[in-house]
Amino acid sequence: DTAVSQTPKYLVTQMGNDKSIKCEQNLGHDTMYWYKQDSKKFLKIMFSYNNKELIINETVPNRFSPKSPDKAHLNLHINSLELGDSAVYFCASSHGRVETQYFGPGTRLLVL
Amino acid sequence: QKEVEQDPGPLSVPEGAIVSLNCTYSNSAFQYFMWYRQYSRKGPELLMYTYSSGNKEDGRFTAQVDKSSKYISLFIRDSQPSDSATYLCAMNQGGSEKLVFGKGTKLTVNP
Repeated sequence: DTAVSQTPKYLVTQMGNDKSIKCEQNLGHDTMYWYKQDSKKFLKIMFSYNNKELIINETVPNRFSPKSPDKAHLNLHINSLELGDSAVYFCASSHGRVETQYFGPGTRLLVL
Repeated sequence: QKEVEQDPGPLSVPEGAIVSLNCTYSNSAFQYFMWYRQYSRKGPELLMYTYSSGNKEDGRFTAQVDKSSKYISLFIRDSQPSDSATYLCAMNQGGSEKLVFGKGTKLTVNP
């Protein structure tokens, strides 16, 4: 059973397009996160939701919009994709302790 | 100065070696210290988690925190080829929902 799953695993798209990445966790956790890992492997928090409420919104362009329909899902929609958006996007979840996060397998986004 | 500094390596050692991985940090408010392991093309997974200063041991892995020096370490004894991965340190202030990660050190253990 996959704990944190993301779809799609790979996404290749043209500049200017709009795309979405979906994340689901079956761990019963109440907090979910989106991270961006750039080509140098630097992992940086983008957003965090607790019980569907946004609690972290780092300095991210407003082309990125997270949506949490319920505690188990956190989606990321990206408008007007740019070359610099190419990265691996990880979803994670935790329950009560931000220190112990469970990460999904990542979505590799390539913008051409 | 970045909040968390970590030598990206790469680090290559023979099987059986003792490996030492380190991070330094500048924010004295950090109280929780984690080590995550990330295999190639996979998500990070939590390896060790320590609160405040001191040592914590789990099998072949030992995590050390020296808050006075703002320095944390992960030691791997009797390293195995399966330990080959990128090791990311991460820190949290406590009361914050945000983890701050180091850039990761890529480790290769050669058979």
